[in-house]
Amino acid sequence: AQSVTQPDIHITVSEGASLELRCNYSYGATPYLFWYVQSPGQGLQLLLKYFSGDTLVQGIKGFEAEFKRSQSSFNLRKPSVHWSDAAEYFCAVGNTGGFKTIFGAGTRLFVKA
Amino acid sequence: EPEVTQTPSHQVTQMGQEVILRCVPISNHLYFYWYRQILGQKVEFLVSFYNNEISEKSEIFDDQFSVERPDGSNFTLKIRSTKLEDSAMYFCASLLSGGTGEFFGPGTRLTVL
Repeated sequence: AQSVTQPDIHITVSEGASLELRCNYSYGATPYLFWYVQSPGQGLQLLLKYFSGDTLVQGIKGFEAEFKRSQSSFNLRKPSVHWSDAAEYFCAVGNTGGFKTIFGAGTRLFVKA
Repeated sequence: EPEVTQTPSHQVTQMGQEVILRCVPISNHLYFYWYRQILGQKVEFLVSFYNNEISEKSEIFDDQFSVERPDGSNFTLKIRSTKLEDSAMYFCASLLSGGTGEFFGPGTRLTVL
């Protein structure tokens, strides 16, 4: 069965510092992979997605993610974090059969001045 | 840009009452979904709907839940007799086809008293 693991429940970084959020997935075939961001009390905003092709994917708000098949990982990165990036980040894998999305437990990002 | 809309944004109900959550998916999309997020927890798949029938449902989606696409535009989730533990944010999503990624609505926060 598909699953997504986000090993870090929360992460704190200083504004201007780089960020990497970890994500590992379990899936039998080439997965569809996503990163979503959720501000408190808000909906889900798609940051970026990977379906095939170039393993380095660019997203909105300066985020990027790299698909590494050998490590079953899809880590999210940003070179310089802004205070407005503080939110919950969810990694997710898409099911190519029923196309439903399986979400990880999320990583809450705190940004300190 | 097309978007998924949901109404109401917040619904408060008494335990045992029926509630209907409404969604308007993106007009040319073919697959429709409901997800649930209990406060502080991850987003969980409830049900997927395609070609006017349920294509997959999770174990959460028991006999108290039903979905319907009553016309060409709306997609509804009904909870027949709400329980306290149904309090959550409910997200609707729609998808054109595999390989494109789901579009999520802003969510309906359901509070059961």
